[in-house]
Amino acid sequence: AQSVAQPEDQVNVAEGNPLTVKCTYSVSGNPYLFWYVQYPNRGLQFLLKYITGDNLVKGSYGFEAEFNKSQTSFHLKKPSALLSDSALYFCAVILTTSGTYKYIFGTGTRLKV
Amino acid sequence: ETGVTQTPRHLVMGMTNKKSLKCEQHLGHNAMYWYKQSAKKPLELMFVYSLEERVENNSVPSRFSPECPNSSHLFLHLHTLQPEDSALYLCASSQYYGSQTYNEQFFGPGTRLTVL
Repeated sequence: AQSVAQPEDQVNVAEGNPLTVKCTYSVSGNPYLFWYVQYPNRGLQFLLKYITGDNLVKGSYGFEAEFNKSQTSFHLKKPSALLSDSALYFCAVILTTSGTYKYIFGTGTRLKV
Repeated sequence: ETGVTQTPRHLVMGMTNKKSLKCEQHLGHNAMYWYKQSAKKPLELMFVYSLEERVENNSVPSRFSPECPNSSHLFLHLHTLQPEDSALYLCASSQYYGSQTYNEQFFGPGTRLTVL
């Protein structure tokens, strides 16, 4: 089945240290991958996306993600974590089959800085 | 602010009540979505509207009834809900819907629904 997985429910990182939030995917065809962040009592907020081109994608608030086709991964990274980065992070993939177009979200990873 | 508003922010209702959730987007987008967010579960896409027409209905029980009167407004009408329907209901919009346009979605803050 086509899916996206976030293997860690929670990631703890000290302020100032680099952070990584993991995402792996399983789709047929080209993957279209997204990262969103959710702060308390708020909706999801778009961070970045990979559609095609450069495997390293830069997004909002200093975040970046690297698309790795051989490992089917799209990990979110930031060189130096801030306290304000504490939030819930969602990886998502778009599935396109038979004219339909569907976002599939992971279960989320809580980042605590 | 993302340009997507939802009202009410909190709603408590009994199983026999009828209520509606409202979503409004101020972004000029053509597609709108309802999602259900429950603890420790992936976001569940419920309905998709593109240019005011429903294009997806992902096996949602009939006690949830969407309505999209125009491209800026989306409603979710609720009746005879069950306690397991308690969740955060998120509305989102994107510029377009379709396989050639991989648009990001803009989310509202959600309505926290509790069914007693």
